Amino acid sequence: AQSVSQHNHHVILSEAASLELGCNYSYGGTVNLFWYVQYPGQHLQLLLKYFSGDPLVKGIKGFEAEFIKSKFSFNLRKPSVQWSDTAEYFCAVNHRGGADGLTFGKGTHLIIQP
Amino acid sequence: DTAVSQTPKYLVTQMGNDKSIKCEQNLGHDTMYWYKQDSKKFLKIMFSYNNKELIINETVPNRFSPKSPDKAHLNLHINSLELGDSAVYFCASSQRESYNEQFFGPGTRLTVL
Repeated sequence: AQSVSQHNHHVILSEAASLELGCNYSYGGTVNLFWYVQYPGQHLQLLLKYFSGDPLVKGIKGFEAEFIKSKFSFNLRKPSVQWSDTAEYFCAVNHRGGADGLTFGKGTHLIIQP
Repeated sequence: DTAVSQTPKYLVTQMGNDKSIKCEQNLGHDTMYWYKQDSKKFLKIMFSYNNKELIINETVPNRFSPKSPDKAHLNLHINSLELGDSAVYFCASSQRESYNEQFFGPGTRLTVL
């Protein structure tokens, strides 16, 4: 079955700390990979995406992610977090060219302490 | 300009009622979706609709039904509402050939009393 697993459900960091959120997927075929962020009370916003090419992708707000095909992983990173990064982060996968929707991980609740 | 819009933003209703949530996208996309986010923030696909193809998540009760009057709209009808239907429902759209990047609406918070 298709699945996406996020390793950390809750992460608490201090401002300026470095961040890495893990994501592994189990999915057959060619996939697209995404990270979405949901700020408190708001809807989902796309942080970054990987379709093909350079496995290191850069997104908005200083986030980046690395696709490692051999490990079925797509980890999210940020070298120095800010208080405003406090949010819920979701890794998601779907089949390229399919209409089957996104399979989401359970999310990581990130709290940045000032 | 709002890309994906949903109405209403909040919906409070009694058990047993029938309700609808509307979704519209002005991106010219050919595929639309409904997702449910539960109280633990877990997001799950409910339906995807691409022209004549409807893909239903097998775990969705048949009390839920999507209706698409045209390519820009995918409404969600829910019959005989239950307490467990309380959640935030998100609509999304994408262009199938364009790597399926999905754009999400603002969500509808449904509370069933």
